[in-house]
Amino acid sequence: GENVEQHPSTLSVQEGDSAVIKCTYSDSASNYFPWYKQELGKRPQLIIDIRSNVGEKKDQRIAVTLNKTAKHFSLHITETQPEDSAVYFCAASLHDKIIFGKGTRLHILP
Amino acid sequence: DSGVTQTPKHLITATGQRVTLRCSPRSGDLSVYWYQQSLDQGLQFLIQYYNGEERAKGNILERFSAQQFPDLHSELNLSSLELGDSALYFCASSGYNTGELFFGEGSRLTVL
Repeated sequence: GENVEQHPSTLSVQEGDSAVIKCTYSDSASNYFPWYKQELGKRPQLIIDIRSNVGEKKDQRIAVTLNKTAKHFSLHITETQPEDSAVYFCAASLHDKIIFGKGTRLHILP
Repeated sequence: DSGVTQTPKHLITATGQRVTLRCSPRSGDLSVYWYQQSLDQGLQFLIQYYNGEERAKGNILERFSAQQFPDLHSELNLSSLELGDSALYFCASSGYNTGELFFGEGSRLTVL
């Protein structure tokens, strides 16, 4: 079955700097790759997603890139702000299964 | 508010007991997903239903079972509970072919 690996597990960046989180997936048939943000004590919420027919997608300060050949995708957050502090999860979807990585705890340092 | 309702929000029970977690999806959503989130762990996929039928199964233990009813609400049944079953259980729903999951607030289960 599908397996999603996510790195790093913890990431600390200075406010204003960029953050990058990377994920790899195992099943080349996966065709949908969402990213979720979970703030402390809250439910996960979708922040951006990408489908397998697209290589890159941007939404203001966040962007996702997908390399189907290498089976990896990344989340990029630019100009980080204190409210970006949260746990971020990548996921890969195949045949009604949406499998999540273990998450990255992002700390924005003042 | 995601529109997904989960009850109960908190539940404390003893080992060996059985509990039922309930989820009402967003209006119009036919798919319901269940995930388990343990401390410092990711979101473990348990099971997915679409319009009353089981569509996909993850690493769901045999002690756990679920179903989706004709009114589209879903229940996750956990039996012979063990300490390790303590976790936050999320339900999520999605619309047809949209991909985005809308999560409920979760049911926090504590097994003592």
